[in-house]
Amino acid sequence: KAGVTQTPRYLIKTRGQQVTLSCSPISGHRSVSWYQQTPGQGLQFLFEYFSETQRNKGNFPGRFSGRQFSNSRSEMNVSTLELGDSALYLCASSSTGGIGELFFGEGSRLTVL
Amino acid sequence: GEDVEQSLFLSVREGDSSVINCTYTDSSSTYLYWYKQEPGAGLQLLTYIFSNMDMKQDQRLTVLLNKKDKHLSLRIADTQTGDSAIYFCAESITDKLIFGTGTRLQVFP
Repeated sequence: KAGVTQTPRYLIKTRGQQVTLSCSPISGHRSVSWYQQTPGQGLQFLFEYFSETQRNKGNFPGRFSGRQFSNSRSEMNVSTLELGDSALYLCASSSTGGIGELFFGEGSRLTVL
Repeated sequence: GEDVEQSLFLSVREGDSSVINCTYTDSSSTYLYWYKQEPGAGLQLLTYIFSNMDMKQDQRLTVLLNKKDKHLSLRIADTQTGDSAIYFCAESITDKLIFGTGTRLQVFP
């Protein structure tokens, strides 16, 4: 079956803009988690959604938000972009959530100029 | 706190064993995981261990868990060039996974 699909794969924005990233989980998976990966900080947990409800949230400012639709697809939004938001944003899906295997997409690489 | 620590780099010769170490902080973690990330790709689950186990072996992979010291290690036997990647350990905390900083394994011939 198809894996986790993230779009777009690459994008460039300027400071102050906003961005929306999309994630389509594996069919049947109801949990979607988002992570930010940077060389200096490694993988940082952003949030996790399960059946359209946010179950967990990491320590990121309110500029980072997300949502999940009834078909389990998820989007994350970053408003008022800063240079430090440049990162690889990874989405992962699972059937149950954090305690269980996460299946990762290839990520969306965001560059903020 | 929720810090999972790993050394940043490891370089080994092809055919040797690799040992990647990790320390975690939450003693209530139920499962501990090892993920692998190849260049340009997302993370892929390699193996995991339940917190009441000391060791788990899966083909060339051996996971050792010292719960008292909150120390986890991954041993790769007969390391191959295809094993070159970044390896992340992760602990499960209240329905989320907290990842370490990753160890970049370089295998040279």
